[in-house]
Amino acid sequence: EPEVTQTPSHQVTQMGQEVILRCVPISNHLYFYWYRQILGQKVEFLVSFYNNEISEKSEIFDDQFSVERPDGSNFTLKIRSTKLEDSAMYFCASLGDTYEQYFGPGTRLTVT
Amino acid sequence: LAKTTQPISMDSYEGQEVNITCSHNNIATNDYITWYQQFPSQGPRFIIQGYKTKVTNEVASLFIPADRKSSTLSLPRVSLSDTAVYYCPFSGSGGYQKVTFGIGTKLQVIP
Repeated sequence: EPEVTQTPSHQVTQMGQEVILRCVPISNHLYFYWYRQILGQKVEFLVSFYNNEISEKSEIFDDQFSVERPDGSNFTLKIRSTKLEDSAMYFCASLGDTYEQYFGPGTRLTVT
Repeated sequence: LAKTTQPISMDSYEGQEVNITCSHNNIATNDYITWYQQFPSQGPRFIIQGYKTKVTNEVASLFIPADRKSSTLSLPRVSLSDTAVYYCPFSGSGGYQKVTFGIGTKLQVIP
């Protein structure tokens, strides 16, 4: 069964550093998403992406965040200057044929 | 603002059937009803989706009344591995919209 993959599984970085989280969505999917989940809290939407551009973004997705699909398979989330409050699990998802979203296993980002 | 409401937690013994009900009073005509499951430190996993009446797959059944203002996820004969958080999130019309998760229902299966 095809699945969404994410790398790395755990990323530790210092405050102010840039991080890039990587995702490989399911190959024939066209809509992609990033969500995050702070420990003990809800899964929160960050951004959706279709046809090489952002479809929708949340208030969380400020100028420090960017997304890119640099090639036909990868989908990346960049945080330019990380803050302590960016520590969370980050999930990538892609949209299936019947509008269900397939989530990856997540990247645990720890900002120190 | 459209949203869904479900119990915060439920306990069940192994082998029992578990029913989790979600209310979605403001559901739009085009919206499908989708349930997800999440284990600790993992991403949400799609379980089942329906529009009306009953849908069954290898994991669960989904019951949707005619007015579609609620839905019930039914897990037959739960095991310890079904301990997880279950969500009936709001997805919005269009199918490709973001999924808005609430806090879900934390199901604890007891031996």
